[in-house]
Amino acid sequence: LAKTTQPISMDSYEGQEVNITCSHNNIATNDYITWYQQFPSQGPRFIIQGYKTKVTNEVASLFIPADRKSSTLSLPRVSLSDTAVYYCLVGDEEGRRALTFGSGTRLQVQP
Amino acid sequence: NAGVTQTPKFRILKIGQSMTLQCTQDMNHNYMYWYRQDPGMGLKLIYYSVGAGITDKGEVPNGYNVSRSTTEDFPLRLELAAPSQTSVYFCASSSPDLQKHEQYFGPGTRLTVT
Repeated sequence: LAKTTQPISMDSYEGQEVNITCSHNNIATNDYITWYQQFPSQGPRFIIQGYKTKVTNEVASLFIPADRKSSTLSLPRVSLSDTAVYYCLVGDEEGRRALTFGSGTRLQVQP
Repeated sequence: NAGVTQTPKFRILKIGQSMTLQCTQDMNHNYMYWYRQDPGMGLKLIYYSVGAGITDKGEVPNGYNVSRSTTEDFPLRLELAAPSQTSVYFCASSSPDLQKHEQYFGPGTRLTVT
């Protein structure tokens, strides 16, 4: 299984931009990179997905360098409601759908 | 469109008891998954299914069984419950696109084994 590495935790203040970087050295050629958000007592929720360069949607941007060995989730102007755990996932090398979530990054947004 | 539904929401089991956690999705997704999440930890894959009649083990399958007789349902069976199975269980489903891993999660079942 392709393994990801993320910081355990991050702190920010309301209105700031937050960037969370994920390392995935063993990403397969056809794999996408996907980020999920999880609030306490809820299941994870899909945020954004990308293959290369940059992807932007209404909640976040995803930056992926040419070698695809890392990716950065960017949350613009965070609010208290963005306090959550963020998981980075990539597909495994054999192309199966079994995914490993890892421990994620716990983001704490302060007022 | 209810998405992924799970029942029950909460359950307390005694050691050695058995139970089935129910999961249903109405999105016609071929892929379904069961995860467990221990306090403060990430999700660990228990079992997954790529379609009706096909199941496969994930990272932590011991003590669990699954079946997939229909596209919609993916029940998880616990036999001989143990305290180590105290956890929150999430069911998820996704489309059959091999590269795109957008999974839709249910609300979870909080299980306590005492």
